[in-house]
Amino acid sequence: GENVEQHPSTLSVQEGDSAVIKCTYSDSASNYFPWYKQELGKRPQLIIDIRSNVGEKKDQRIAVTLNKTAKHFSLHITETQPEDSAVYFCAASIGGSARQLTFGSGTQLTVLP
Amino acid sequence: DGGITQSPKYLFRKEGQNVTLSCEQNLNHDAMYWYRQDPGQGLRLIYYSQIVNDFQKGDIAEGYSVSREKKESFPLTVTSAQKNPTAFYLCASSWTTGELFFGEGSRLTVL
Repeated sequence: GENVEQHPSTLSVQEGDSAVIKCTYSDSASNYFPWYKQELGKRPQLIIDIRSNVGEKKDQRIAVTLNKTAKHFSLHITETQPEDSAVYFCAASIGGSARQLTFGSGTQLTVLP
Repeated sequence: DGGITQSPKYLFRKEGQNVTLSCEQNLNHDAMYWYRQDPGQGLRLIYYSQIVNDFQKGDIAEGYSVSREKKESFPLTVTSAQKNPTAFYLCASSWTTGELFFGEGSRLTVL
């Protein structure tokens, strides 16, 4: 089955700096890659996703890049703010099926003021 | 206000007892899921259901049971057969493909 590895497990950045979280996946058939954000004590929420027919997607300060050849995808957050502090999870699935999502182990991002 | 509701938020159980976690959604989603979240391990799928009266095992179904008698409801029972039940449990719903909508979670502690 699919295996998703996520790095780093913790990341601290200064406010205003950029943050990058990387994930690799094992199943070349995977073609849907969402990112979820979980603030302390709250539910995970989808922040951005990408499908394998595109290499990059942006939404304001957040971007995701996908390298299908290397089987890795990354989350980029620019101009970080304290409210970006949270745990971020990457995931991968085949055909966009939520029931086949495999999650990474999570990255605790801390934005220092 | 549409959403997905889990209860209770906190639950304590003695060893050997079964407990049932409630999950209700009013989003009219067909699919519902139960995940377990442990520190450093991400989200692992316990069970999922794509339609009423049908459900499938996920990656870590041993020691758990579910039912799906109504579209809106997908309760999870943690049985005494679950060796390490202390965890944070998340329920979610979705259309068949795409975004998962999560509940706020239930934290189970076995005493």
